[in-house]
Amino acid sequence: SQKIEQNSEALNIQEGKTATLTCNYTNYSPAYLQWYRQDPGRGPVFLLLIRENEKEKRKERLKVTFDTTLKQSLFHITASQPADSATYLCALGSSGGSYIPTFGRGTSLIVHP
Amino acid sequence: DTEVTQTPKHLVMGMTNKKSLKCEQHMGHRAMYWYKQKAKKPPELMFVYSYEKLSINESVPSRFSPECPNSSLLNLHLHALQPEDSALYLCASSQERDIGNSPLHFGNGTRLTVT
Repeated sequence: SQKIEQNSEALNIQEGKTATLTCNYTNYSPAYLQWYRQDPGRGPVFLLLIRENEKEKRKERLKVTFDTTLKQSLFHITASQPADSATYLCALGSSGGSYIPTFGRGTSLIVHP
Repeated sequence: DTEVTQTPKHLVMGMTNKKSLKCEQHMGHRAMYWYKQKAKKPPELMFVYSYEKLSINESVPSRFSPECPNSSLLNLHLHALQPEDSALYLCASSQERDIGNSPLHFGNGTRLTVT
């Protein structure tokens, strides 16, 4: 069966360090992968999109990598700040799903001052 | 604040009630979505409208009835819900249904409690 796996345990890091979150998938051939941020009681907010033929994307302090051989995406936040504390969701889209994103359960990031 | 507005923010309803959730966007997006999210779980797709026509129904029970009166509005009519339907209901829009080119813009959801 298709699975999108993100660490269910919260990631705790110190302010200023780089946070790295992982998204692994099985039985998907994704056309793209997206990362969203979700704060408690609010809707997800889109951060970055990376396509199947791209290895890396950057936006300000954010970097996403996409390895279709390992079936994995890594999401990095450099120089992390307490305001970066949130849940980060990855979402995959494929032709089998009409390109509508299917979400992972997310990983909670806590940045300590 | 998001550009997708959902009302009400909170809703408590009994199992025999009829209520509606509303969603509005003025970004000119032509695809609109309903997702359901339970605590510590990922958002799950319920319905997709593309150019005001229902294009995807993810086998959602008939007690949930979507409606798209025009390109800016999306409703979700609720009737005879069960306590297990309690969740955060999220509306989203995208420029078109080809999500590979346009991400989802979510509202902040309606927190629904069925008693």
